[in-house]
Amino acid sequence: GAGVSQSPRYKVTKRGQDVALRCDPISGHVSLYWYRQALGQGPEFLTYFNYEAQQDKSGLPNDRFSAERPEGSISTLTIQRTEQRDSAMYRCASSLAGGFGAGGGPQHFGDGTRLSIL
Amino acid sequence: AQKITQTQPGMFVQEKEAVTLDCTYDTSDQSYGLFWYKQPSSGEMIFLIYQGSYDEQNATEGRYSLNFQKARKSANLVISASQLGDSAMYFCAMREADNTDKLIFGTGTRLQVFP
Repeated sequence: GAGVSQSPRYKVTKRGQDVALRCDPISGHVSLYWYRQALGQGPEFLTYFNYEAQQDKSGLPNDRFSAERPEGSISTLTIQRTEQRDSAMYRCASSLAGGFGAGGGPQHFGDGTRLSIL
Repeated sequence: AQKITQTQPGMFVQEKEAVTLDCTYDTSDQSYGLFWYKQPSSGEMIFLIYQGSYDEQNATEGRYSLNFQKARKSANLVISASQLGDSAMYFCAMREADNTDKLIFGTGTRLQVFP
């Protein structure tokens, strides 16, 4: 597609439920990133992939959070046993290639999934 | 220490005037990149401009320019001829070559353009 697509746009769920957030990157983009953005703050890094390989998951808050990108395209961020503190905007971004330098390019963001845990 | 500092929570500018949004950064890497993103009230994150640490010229993209002062570790965004549609949240971000590909964002500056 033309841009990064995320679904659902909004997700409301009860505490304790599992949620899966989906990201479809820009076609041809090798690198895919997940960020979390609290209200009034800048996005915070969660994890990123080059192709299907998860390169860095240092930003995942705890082991309830996991992400996968099995075929190097669409990615899913899963939160198990959700808690109210997980409520936030979850943003996905993609770029042409990982690695710093002229070939990397900027990260292009999707519109996000607004997650609300009741 | 904060990696990216944006000291202006809010700024006002009159239409057609220029405005500078401040950003300072902290890194020990020699190779890094600096980015500015715009977030309108609708919520998208729109890439505006990029400056590499080895770039000798300040980056420009249309009405946006980046005032890069390496020795002072500042990367201020200058918007010329402000338009009402420029009203938004603006985020400065950094990517360090030795710190994977993640972007580290500041807390943002809310810009309001008035007629």
